[in-house]
Amino acid sequence: DGGITQSPKYLFRKEGQNVTLSCEQNLNHDAMYWYRQDPGQGLRLIYYSQIVNDFQKGDIAEGYSVSREKKESFPLTVTSAQKNPTAFYLCASSRGLAGGRLDTQYFGPGTRLTVL
Amino acid sequence: GNSVTQMEGPVTLSEEAFLTINCTYTATGYPSLFWYVQYPGEGLQLLLKATKADDKGSNKGFEATYRKETTSFHLEKGSVQVSDSAVYFCALSDVSSSNSGYALNFGKGTSLLVTP
Repeated sequence: DGGITQSPKYLFRKEGQNVTLSCEQNLNHDAMYWYRQDPGQGLRLIYYSQIVNDFQKGDIAEGYSVSREKKESFPLTVTSAQKNPTAFYLCASSRGLAGGRLDTQYFGPGTRLTVL
Repeated sequence: GNSVTQMEGPVTLSEEAFLTINCTYTATGYPSLFWYVQYPGEGLQLLLKATKADDKGSNKGFEATYRKETTSFHLEKGSVQVSDSAVYFCALSDVSSSNSGYALNFGKGTSLLVTP
């Protein structure tokens, strides 16, 4: 089955610790994205990558870092510099520029991060 | 900049009632428009999309028409079911003016509860 997997589903972290959220896709998509969702709000873009070895900051990148060493993988690290990291994190992928106006993003099941 | 505004929720309907969730957008270019649905504790699923003016997206009984003159993309369903209870997000993608590739701009979501 093709799709996007995120792990773990629930993650707990102590203040001051870095934590890495996994995102893997087997859809052969070029573009991958990380969003953050808070209660009562829409999704906000953290980072995106349109191609391997390249990524760009989104609207709320402070306190986060990413890497894109493989086409299939786009891990997100939540660092201790992120002031309010408790949230639901969603990873998505799409064909990106190859998809043109028809491009559609497909989402993983999400990781709920709680800082204790 | 680009933005999406959707009606505040929660919306509570009885089974078989007619559903409308309003969505309006602001975009500097020519966006593609999407409706996504999120069931509790899950990621987002694409419900329908439209890529140009007057296009109608439809899926599972839901419909939305891309209205450029009113900058709207309202979601409708003629007869809702209990299983339609979820949060619905309107979103746009506007690569022509966006600095974020094909990343989506989301509304804040509208929660729908359908009662038997």
